[in-house]
Amino acid sequence: DSGVTQTPKHLITATGQRVTLRCSPRSGDLSVYWYQQSLDQGLQFLIQYYNGEERAKGNILERFSAQQFPDLHSELNLSSLELGDSALYFCASSSRTSGGSYNEQFFGPGTRLTVL
Amino acid sequence: GQNIDQPTEMTATEGAIVQINCTYQTSGFNGLFWYQQHAGEAPTFLSYNVLDGLEEKGRFSSFLSRSKGYSYLLLKELQMKDSASYLCAVGNDYKLSFGAGTTVTVRA
Repeated sequence: DSGVTQTPKHLITATGQRVTLRCSPRSGDLSVYWYQQSLDQGLQFLIQYYNGEERAKGNILERFSAQQFPDLHSELNLSSLELGDSALYFCASSSRTSGGSYNEQFFGPGTRLTVL
Repeated sequence: GQNIDQPTEMTATEGAIVQINCTYQTSGFNGLFWYQQHAGEAPTFLSYNVLDGLEEKGRFSSFLSRSKGYSYLLLKELQMKDSASYLCAVGNDYKLSFGAGTTVTVRA
């Protein structure tokens, strides 16, 4: 158990819908990262937050957005869902934020999203 | 941009040694990470190299050559439970960029 929690574990929805994935980082970790893992794409970095502020953006679609709240939990919002958005979505947390320092990330169990 | 290459699949026998290579070309670098991921589960951290050389951790060792953009993960005394995907990742400022992963199958 990494200490990172994600809800829900599974989510099945229809195209065009909107869903929210939730992540609680390890106690004391200020950084939260979101990743998407689909069968043909591997693990893709989406976005990172540090202490409530966006720090880095990866291959995140405009239909997707995220935020980190004062209690440090984070939510990833996916809208206008398409079949291709079906994937495992992982949240990770770490205690460091800046380049040049050790930034081991601890991953949550993931949310499996299925878009029908 | 980031370009991280590792073999797609490897097969080895229980008790043997397997070496998974990873080459990378990245615009920044603050460490090379190896993660293990069993199917449908979260990646778990295995090792971290920031300086050139070998880091040993029990049955797992990882090597880094920054000048060559090259790393390898060495798995010794393979066990059936080592069957998993092994992900090479380059740390760059605020994020990790992952390779596609190498699926290792351990056979009895």
